[in-house]
Amino acid sequence: AQKITQTQPGMFVQEKEAVTLDCTYDTSDQSYGLFWYKQPSSGEMIFLIYQGSYDEQNATEGRYSLNFQKARKSANLVISASQLGDSAMYFCAMREGGPQGFQKLVFGTGTRLLVSP
Amino acid sequence: DTGVSQDPRHKITKRGQNVTFRCDPISEHNRLYWYRQTLGQGPEFLTYFQNEAQLEKSRLLSDRFSAERPKGSFSTLEIQRTEQGDSAMYLCASSPPDGSYNEQFFGPGTRLTVL
Repeated sequence: AQKITQTQPGMFVQEKEAVTLDCTYDTSDQSYGLFWYKQPSSGEMIFLIYQGSYDEQNATEGRYSLNFQKARKSANLVISASQLGDSAMYFCAMREGGPQGFQKLVFGTGTRLLVSP
Repeated sequence: DTGVSQDPRHKITKRGQNVTFRCDPISEHNRLYWYRQTLGQGPEFLTYFQNEAQLEKSRLLSDRFSAERPKGSFSTLEIQRTEQGDSAMYLCASSPPDGSYNEQFFGPGTRLTVL
């Protein structure tokens, strides 16, 4: 069964506007972690933001925030004030189990974001 | 500050040949992971090392694939008798032993093309 679902293959946004990238997940674990990574055309995966399943507050890192709705099993990424350099593939990923355990990440299929001037 | 490095960055080989990739994790990171990413997909987990011990292998890792981390530092991934279906980006990642949430730091990847 697919564990991470990203339903938006591509998204367009104008510079300086906000954009939301969707991610839903499926797990029976009580303890898990959710990550967002950015992959520019150069290929490397750049960590953006993390949300733990027990975290009560939504995670924020600069212009990135994670809208975590546990009951709906969703972990959407919000990018505020988009910049041209934000154009890239964005992947949602889940780690099952606690942070001290085995660390396999399961990734979604990604969303390609294009920021226009 | 040195990140995760991978060598080579690109490899073109003929079907049936053996290839070996190297990954150097961030120093003091005792956890090391290999992932494979095909076009249009997210990375898929292949295998995991904690220090020199290989603790987990995906069933994606057929008998033709072998990974080692002999001294708990760098790791190698070897593919024997390559097939066209092995063409992909091979990503290595590492994480520290005491991270609060164990973010995985990724290398730039090795892009393999099997002709």
